[in-house]
Amino acid sequence: GDSVTQMEGPVTLSEEAFLTINCTYTATGYPSLFWYVQYPGEGLQLLLKATKADDKGSNKGFEATYRKETTSFHLEKGSVQVSDSAVYFCALIETSGSRLTFGEGTQLTVNP
Amino acid sequence: DGGITQSPKYLFRKEGQNVTLSCEQNLNHDAMYWYRQDPGQGLRLIYYSQIVNDFQKGDIAEGYSVSREKKESFPLTVTSAQKNPTAFYLCASSILPSVTEAFFGQGTRLTVV
Repeated sequence: GDSVTQMEGPVTLSEEAFLTINCTYTATGYPSLFWYVQYPGEGLQLLLKATKADDKGSNKGFEATYRKETTSFHLEKGSVQVSDSAVYFCALIETSGSRLTFGEGTQLTVNP
Repeated sequence: DGGITQSPKYLFRKEGQNVTLSCEQNLNHDAMYWYRQDPGQGLRLIYYSQIVNDFQKGDIAEGYSVSREKKESFPLTVTSAQKNPTAFYLCASSILPSVTEAFFGQGTRLTVV
């Protein structure tokens, strides 16, 4: 079945540091890929998405590129802020699917 | 504004009691989902529904029940058969047939004492 694997957390960075959160997936077809963000005590919000190979999703300074050859969708940001502290989830859905499959989540803490 | 509303935000129940969590959406989405979130374990799918009066079990359906009598509503009942019900519960919805994004509610934190 489909699965998503994220790098183990938690991740702690200083403000303005470079962020990478790794995400790899296993799927039988050609899935769409997502990054969701969850702030403390809240639901999930869509951060960015990519629907086909080589697509780059971007939002609020975050970027991720759909790499079919490495089955990856790593999240990056050039300069993190304290307000980026949250849990980040990688997810996928198959082309003909109707449910999202999530990774384990990565807790990011950014210190001033 | 359109969105998904979960209520209540916090819920306390005694062990052995059934409890129902509410989820309502006004996005006119066909599909609705219930996820359970435990620390360090990500999101696990409990049940989902693609159409009124129909629903499917997810990965951890045991001890839970749902209904979908209206397109807008997808309540989740946590029964006394659920061995470890204390968790954060998230409801989501999406359009069909092609899911391009799922919208989430703010969640309900259930504590069983």
